Amino acid sequence: GEQVEQRPPHLSVREGDSAVIICTYTDPNSYYFFWYKQEPGAGLQLLMKVFSSTEINEGQGFTVLLNKKDKQLSLNLTAAHPGDSAVYFCAAETNSAGNKLTFGIGTRVLVRP
Amino acid sequence: EAAVTQSPRSKVAVTGGKVTLSCHQTNNHDYMYWYRQDTGHGLRLIHYSYVADSTEKGDIPDGYKASRPSQENFSLILELASLSQTAVYFCASSDTAYSYEQYFGPGTRLTVL
Repeated sequence: GEQVEQRPPHLSVREGDSAVIICTYTDPNSYYFFWYKQEPGAGLQLLMKVFSSTEINEGQGFTVLLNKKDKQLSLNLTAAHPGDSAVYFCAAETNSAGNKLTFGIGTRVLVRP
Repeated sequence: EAAVTQSPRSKVAVTGGKVTLSCHQTNNHDYMYWYRQDTGHGLRLIHYSYVADSTEKGDIPDGYKASRPSQENFSLILELASLSQTAVYFCASSDTAYSYEQYFGPGTRLTVL
């Protein structure tokens, strides 16, 4: 089945700098990918859903790149601010019954003033 | 806005005791899921359900049962709680087949002593 490797597990950046999180997946048939943000004591909040090939999606303060050739998904927090401090998870659909997702282990991001 | 709620938000249980975690969704979604979150493991799927009165095993079902008495409600049952089941548990819901986005509740922190 699908496996997702996420790195780094921890990331500390200064306010205004960028931060990049990379996920590598194994199943070439996976089509949908997701980034979730988890703030302290809260559930996972959907940041973005990505599909198609080599796509760049821009959200509020972040950019997501999907490279299906290399089976990599990345999240770039541009000009990070303290509100970006959270744990970020990538996820890939498993192409199986049940709408199931396989999650990475998460990246704890700390944005220092 | 669609919502997934969980109760209790926090629970302390004794080893060998019975624990029931409850989840309620107002999304009108068919699919519901139970995950556990442990440091270094991300989220792992315990059980899921795609219709009332039916449940399916996820990736780590041992030691857990699930119940889906209605479309809105999904419970996770630990008949004989063990120390290794100390974790944060998340419930999620998603729409019909192939939409894949999952919407999460705030989580339940379970401590087994």
